[in-house]
Amino acid sequence: DQQVKQNSPSLSVQEGRISILNCDYTNSMFDYFLWYKKYPAEGPTFLISISSIKDKNEDGRFTVFLNKSAKHLSLHIVPSQPGDSAVYFCAATEGNFGNEKLTFGTGTRLTIIP
Amino acid sequence: GAGVSQSPRYKVTKRGQDVTLRCDPISSHATLYWYQQALGQGPEFLTYFNYEAQPDKSGLPSDRFSAERPEGSISTLTIQRTEQRDSAMYRCASSRDRDPYNEQFFGPGTRLTVL
Repeated sequence: DQQVKQNSPSLSVQEGRISILNCDYTNSMFDYFLWYKKYPAEGPTFLISISSIKDKNEDGRFTVFLNKSAKHLSLHIVPSQPGDSAVYFCAATEGNFGNEKLTFGTGTRLTIIP
Repeated sequence: GAGVSQSPRYKVTKRGQDVTLRCDPISSHATLYWYQQALGQGPEFLTYFNYEAQPDKSGLPSDRFSAERPEGSISTLTIQRTEQRDSAMYRCASSRDRDPYNEQFFGPGTRLTVL
């Protein structure tokens, strides 16, 4: 049972345009959401997060939006740059002691076209 | 250390053999996680340690899998009697402490291939 879903395995975006990566979840106990970015041959690195008490968090070119009623979050990258080409994983946690694990989606490979 | 390191980076073994994977977390980090990542999937939680305690083993797929962190720093993941379905990338991550809001820093992974 996939509790975190990224339905788009890949996405190609022109440099300078907006990249929108989507993520859906099913577990209503999740209250903290994260995006990780992964380059080839490296481990995932933390990019941005959002708590369930917010609906938006912005960090430079990256913004994460959370729609709790729809159990949906999205990552917006604007403007997209060639260095953004990577695999992006959405992850979630219940945010309480005793259940610290992250549950990951299957990832979306983003390719920025120069 | 500067980051999380894992060894070996690649391991090829024959079915039925035991393998041990090693993780060196960031030196100041109390909490260490193991994840298994199959091809085309995201990392899936196996187990974690807080110092040397292992509060959650719920993700270990069978009793062939075990992990240790005897001194609260380096950790090993051992798979006994390996099977082909154990082939995956095994990722270790560490974080400052158990606070779920703390960032988990991932190592480069060990790619295990069971022939």
